[in-house]
Amino acid sequence: AQKVTQAQTEISVVEKEDVTLDCVYETRDTTYYLFWYKQPPSGELVFLIRRNSFDEQNEISGRYSWNFQKSTSSFNFTITASQVVDSAVYFCALSEDNFGNEKLTFGTGTRLTIIP
Amino acid sequence: GAGVSQTPSNKVTEKGKYVELRCDPISGHTALYWYRQSLGQGPEFLIYFQGTGAADDSGLPNDRFFAVRPEGSVSTLKIQRTERGDSAVYLCASSAGGGPTDTQYFGPGTRLTVL
Repeated sequence: AQKVTQAQTEISVVEKEDVTLDCVYETRDTTYYLFWYKQPPSGELVFLIRRNSFDEQNEISGRYSWNFQKSTSSFNFTITASQVVDSAVYFCALSEDNFGNEKLTFGTGTRLTIIP
Repeated sequence: GAGVSQTPSNKVTEKGKYVELRCDPISGHTALYWYRQSLGQGPEFLIYFQGTGAADDSGLPNDRFFAVRPEGSVSTLKIQRTERGDSAVYLCASSAGGGPTDTQYFGPGTRLTVL
C-alpha cells in the first residue's frame, strides 16, 4: 500500500528565511508520481508540481525548488526567501500508475507560517 | 477558463438526513475524483469516474455514500442517513484524461456539518 509521511506538522519562520518541507513516501510500484499542493486559508488546493519516478532531476521554479531522492524515498520542497503569502498548509501526495486511475494519497500536511 | 466548481460551499444538516453535493468539473475533463478532508488531515480518496462510469469506488466508507455522473460531466455525491462523523470538507477534482501525465485540479470544496 502506498503511504506519504510529512513529519513536520507546523513550521514557523521569519520572512525572507529559507524553509524546507519534508516528504517521505512508500510504494511498491516502480512507476509512480509525486506531487506538492498548497492549501491557503481560502481552502482550495493549488497544484505546485508533479514528478515521475524516472526523473530524479531537481527542479527550480522561482523561489521554489524540489529535491527528489529515490534512494531515501524523499521528495522535499524548499522555499527560498520566504514571503508572508507563502503561509499555507502544504501537502505532498503520491499516485501509482494504475492505467488511468490517478487517485492521490496525501500526507497529513505541514502548516507553514511566515512571520513578517 | 472556469475551474472546478462545487455547490453548496457550506451545508449544515441534521443527523439522519440525506444530502447531495455537486461538482462541476473543468469543461472537457473526462476524469473526476471525490476526496474527503477531515480537520487537520490530508484529503482522502473516495471515488474516481472516467466518463460516466465509476472506475474505482474503493474509498467510499460504506453504503450510505454513493456518487453519480450520468452525462460524464457534472457529478453528485449523495450521502444517506448522515452521521456526525461525516462532517468534513468534500473536495472534487478533475483531470483531462485521468492518465499519468494529467494533473488533478481541485474545486473549493463543500464543508458539510452534521449536527
